[in-house]
Amino acid sequence: AQSVTQPDIHITVSEGASLELRCNYSYGATPYLFWYVQSPGQGLQLLLKYFSGDTLVQGIKGFEAEFKRSQSSFNLRKPSVHWSDAAEYFCAAADGGFQKLVFGTGTRLLVSP
Amino acid sequence: NAGVTQTPKFQVLKTGQSMTLQCAQDMNHEYMSWYRQDPGMGLRLIHYSVGAGITDQGEVPNGYNVSRSTTEDFPLRLLSAAPSQTSVYFCASSSRPRDTQYFGPGTRLTVL
Repeated sequence: AQSVTQPDIHITVSEGASLELRCNYSYGATPYLFWYVQSPGQGLQLLLKYFSGDTLVQGIKGFEAEFKRSQSSFNLRKPSVHWSDAAEYFCAAADGGFQKLVFGTGTRLLVSP
Repeated sequence: NAGVTQTPKFQVLKTGQSMTLQCAQDMNHEYMSWYRQDPGMGLRLIHYSVGAGITDQGEVPNGYNVSRSTTEDFPLRLLSAAPSQTSVYFCASSSRPRDTQYFGPGTRLTVL
C-alpha cells in the first residue's frame, strides 16, 4: 500500500541551529512529494513540492528539501531555525493520477531559546 | 478573495445526530477534498471531488456523505454521528489535483 512515514514525532532544536525533518515514502513509482506546515489552531500551508527535475527544491520561509530516489526519502531542511518555525510539519505524497494525497503522521518541531 | 472557508468552527453533537459541515471556495477550483485530522495519524482523506457532479471516496469514507452541485461548495454530511468521528475536519481545494492545495481553517467536531 502507498504510505508516507515520518519517523520523528517530536524534534527540539535550538534557535539558530540547523534542522532536518525526515520523510520516507513507499510507492510503486516516484510520487509527487510535498511538505506542509501547520501552526497551532491553523490550517495547512504548502512549504514546497517536488514533481520532477532538480532533486533539491526550494520553498518558502527559507526551507528546502532534497529528493533521494535511492533512499525513497524527501527530507526537509533549514539552515537556521527561528522561534516562529515552531509548528507541526507534514510530508505528503500523491501518485501520477493525483486523485489522493497521502499524509505522514507529522513531526512537531519545538524551538528552544 | 476569502480563499477556503469552513463553517462552523466548533460543533458538539450527540451520538446519532446528523449535521453538515460547510466548505466553500471562491478561487474557481475544480478539485476539492475533505480530510480528518486525528492525533498521531496525520490527515486522512475522506472524500474528494474533481468537479461539479463528480465525487469519489478517499481513505476513510464510512459514515460520511458528500455532493458537489456547484464548483464553489463541497459540504460534508455526517449521517449518524458516532464518538469515533470526533476529530478536526479540513476542507481543501486546488485548480488541479497536482497543484497546490489550499486548506480551510478547520472545524473541530466533538461527538458525545
